[in-house]
Amino acid sequence: EPEVTQTPSHQVTQMGQEVILRCVPISNHLYFYWYRQILGQKVEFLVSFYNNEISEKSEIFDDQFSVERPDGSNFTLKIRSTKLEDSAMYFCARRVQGVYGYTFGSGTRLTVV
Amino acid sequence: AQKVTQAQTEISVVEKEDVTLDCVYETRDTTYYLFWYKQPPSGELVFLIRRNSFDEQNEISGRYSWNFQKSTSSFNFTITASQVVDSAVYFCALKGDFGNEKLTFGTGTRLTIIP
Repeated sequence: EPEVTQTPSHQVTQMGQEVILRCVPISNHLYFYWYRQILGQKVEFLVSFYNNEISEKSEIFDDQFSVERPDGSNFTLKIRSTKLEDSAMYFCARRVQGVYGYTFGSGTRLTVV
Repeated sequence: AQKVTQAQTEISVVEKEDVTLDCVYETRDTTYYLFWYKQPPSGELVFLIRRNSFDEQNEISGRYSWNFQKSTSSFNFTITASQVVDSAVYFCALKGDFGNEKLTFGTGTRLTIIP
């Protein structure tokens, strides 16, 4: 099964800037997810994505966030105007349809300054 | 609503001791899935085990074992003969039935193995 690769591993951005976090590679017939973990806290669900659509999202996933597959392979999370409180580790995860096992990527540590 | 409680925030044990990490969950779904993940200092989330709600058989994998008790809504994790490499944060997580895609995590237990 393909692993989940995330890029970059660490990103520093200024408050108010847009950031795009990437998850590669991607295959069809998989569910994809974004989770975040603020330093020292628990892992929180952001959004699930299947068949090029959002299937579920949390209250954290507000209008500042969006997800897409811009080229049919990468799976991206965009934060339009970053805030200091967006600083966290962001994990991409996937599971195969019919199998309830989740594989997480190694994460992108986002630091907003 | 789903909820996972890991009441133990931090545990320290001396190497070679056994240690049990507690996990209590809440869900209204009759079918659900329970998970344990390990997060070493490097930060990645490493999958350890998945359990279905209809399978209460306990599982052992090397030094790791899991005790699933539906009657008490608990899914505890025991490490026997602990090693320094076991030092990490351990998360218990819950997924509900079909259509409920998200994993709900507990707050994690930081385990430190003292050499």
